[in-house]
Amino acid sequence: SQQGEEDPQALSIQEGENATMNCSYKTSINNLQWYRQNSGRGLVHLILIRSNEREKHSGRLRVTLDTSKKSSSLLITASRAADTASYFCATDHTGANSKLTFGKGITLSVRP
Amino acid sequence: EAGVVQSPRYKIIEKKQPVAFWCNPISGHNTLYWYRQNLGQGPELLIRYENEEAVDDSQLPKDRFSAERLKGVDSTLKIQPAELGDSAVYLCASSTVTEQFFGPGTRLTVL
Repeated sequence: SQQGEEDPQALSIQEGENATMNCSYKTSINNLQWYRQNSGRGLVHLILIRSNEREKHSGRLRVTLDTSKKSSSLLITASRAADTASYFCATDHTGANSKLTFGKGITLSVRP
Repeated sequence: EAGVVQSPRYKIIEKKQPVAFWCNPISGHNTLYWYRQNLGQGPELLIRYENEEAVDDSQLPKDRFSAERLKGVDSTLKIQPAELGDSAVYLCASSTVTEQFFGPGTRLTVL
């Protein structure tokens, strides 16, 4: 079963705009991770945020985590056409990265 | 550093035929995963290995699926016999304690 639920399911924006994607989950976590998947490729790890962290940055990415609401958001600033991909949140309940539960993903299209 | 290698990249078979997928993880990664990803869905774990031991195979349909990881390095996932519903992308991953590294996957089509 898939624990994380991302929304929206699909997002289309203009290059240069910011993209915000949300993820909600059901049970307590040790950490939450975001992955990107380009068409026909494997997933690439973007960022990990632990349950005791509220915000994390990596380049143009900003992730927030609200454990009281069991939700996370991924913000991509100044989007580029190359950001076009599917984005997945994955929850880790064990803390050892031993079992990730992925959501269904968000399809992001960035128009040049 | 080479990433996770999977082969074949694509496989088309008729139902009831057997099929096997191969994965070579990143050197030094003791943990190896097999996932199945259906169209429009996220990956779902089938089996996890720690070295050569399968430590979580609760989601593996054991009537038709089998996996092995001899010598704790590369791994093979087999389906016998394949059914129409097995059409999906089969992803292999290996990990450190904070990140999973995925291979490109094998896209299986069962006709």
